[in-house]
Amino acid sequence: EVQLVESGGGLVEPGGSLRLSCAASGFTFSNAWMSWVRQAPGKGLEWVGRIKSKTDGGTTHYAAPVKGRFTISRDDSKDTLYLQMNSLKTEDTAVYYCTTQWGVVVVGASPDWYFDLWGRGTLVTVSS
Amino acid sequence: DIQMTQSPSSLSASVGDRVTITCQASQDISNYLNWYQQKPGKAPKLLIYDASNLETGVPSRFSGSGSGTDYTFTISSLQPEDIATYYCQQYDNLPRTFGQGTKLEIK
Repeated sequence: EVQLVESGGGLVEPGGSLRLSCAASGFTFSNAWMSWVRQAPGKGLEWVGRIKSKTDGGTTHYAAPVKGRFTISRDDSKDTLYLQMNSLKTEDTAVYYCTTQWGVVVVGASPDWYFDLWGRGTLVTVSS
Repeated sequence: DIQMTQSPSSLSASVGDRVTITCQASQDISNYLNWYQQKPGKAPKLLIYDASNLETGVPSRFSGSGSGTDYTFTISSLQPEDIATYYCQQYDNLPRTFGQGTKLEIK
């Protein structure tokens, strides 16, 4: 079965750290460009960042609110994506989803244009 | 960053109604636009990509159109299972950005 499963969420105090994981199965994870998207309680969707496949350079890109505090990495041997979150703020409280492009095939498309595979999300609560 | 302005923020309609949501980008995004449906407690689901292409398995009552900075999402005949929040999202530039969402309710 093709799926993404996030884990690692929980309650953390402001200034603390947390590492989220996203386990992939059913597809060739090493070829995938992976993204994190978050959703604060009762709010809309916010793109957090992206990591390319190692074949395509493995580079990362982050949204401004998390740049310098969050780090996206991947372990292709474990088919797992990570989000290391440091210096957490109360405004980082959200459900964090990992997502990727899996089924949509369009000639010439970048591998992170269409988020058609999502995990169920993991809740991170930053509070004292 | 490209700002995506979605309207309305909420919408109440009757079963069978035609429903339209608009999304305006702060600059030309050349049809690099997706539409997602999100039901409470669930992950978003891709419905429309490249502004007007229907994702496999999505009912044909859903459609998208537009160009340049202005895009439209339409449900031709609202069904009870369409109750959800809908988001547009651009992928012309990084960072990827979403509209603020349209919460659709049954009247």
